Amino acid sequence: RKEVEQDPGPFNVPEGATVAFNCTYSNSASQSFFWYRQDCRKEPKLLMSVYSSGNEDGRFTAQLNRASQYISLLIRDSKLSDSATYLCAPQGATNKLIFGTGTLLAVQP
Amino acid sequence: EPEVTQTPSHQVTQMGQEVILRCVPISNHLYFYWYRQILGQKVEFLVSFYNNEISEKSEIFDDQFSVERPDGSNFTLKIRSTKLEDSAMYFCASSGPGERLYEQYFGPGTRLTVT
Repeated sequence: RKEVEQDPGPFNVPEGATVAFNCTYSNSASQSFFWYRQDCRKEPKLLMSVYSSGNEDGRFTAQLNRASQYISLLIRDSKLSDSATYLCAPQGATNKLIFGTGTLLAVQP
Repeated sequence: EPEVTQTPSHQVTQMGQEVILRCVPISNHLYFYWYRQILGQKVEFLVSFYNNEISEKSEIFDDQFSVERPDGSNFTLKIRSTKLEDSAMYFCASSGPGERLYEQYFGPGTRLTVT
């Protein structure tokens, strides 16, 4: 089983849609989880941190299910500017991040 | 807002040459990291650094790689003898202190091209 698995997409959605991404992880000892967004050929930018069952920030909601070892990210009211690759990153030992391959989101006008 | 900075933005070098990639982490951060991303692939951890020593390194981080914090602000990654397969985007990140200790902020990256 891969350390972190994400559906690569692409997810093509119209503006205003709600879209959800899932991520599964194999290390049951992970305590902290992060969602990053990455634009083409740019650095990952921290979007959300998840330490307990979930977190909400405006249009973005992240949820953690430790029993099933998955994390989800929900984006409501999608905007053109949300088009990017979304990276799931559980934290391993000594704080290193273990990235998934990312899910590509394309929001269409 | 404080940012991680990296120089150069693009480095072209010949196989077998040494390169040093430079990073200035966010000033009050305590943990420092290097990651790399080969074109079209996922971001991979290389090394973490805390209290002037390596905390963890990946299998990629072999004897050809080294890190240093030569002064209070810079954090460098050296590749002693570059190979073609070292061509990638190298990202520096930093995190801490306090309750957001584990949130890592990334620099814009250095694109390394080995010819």
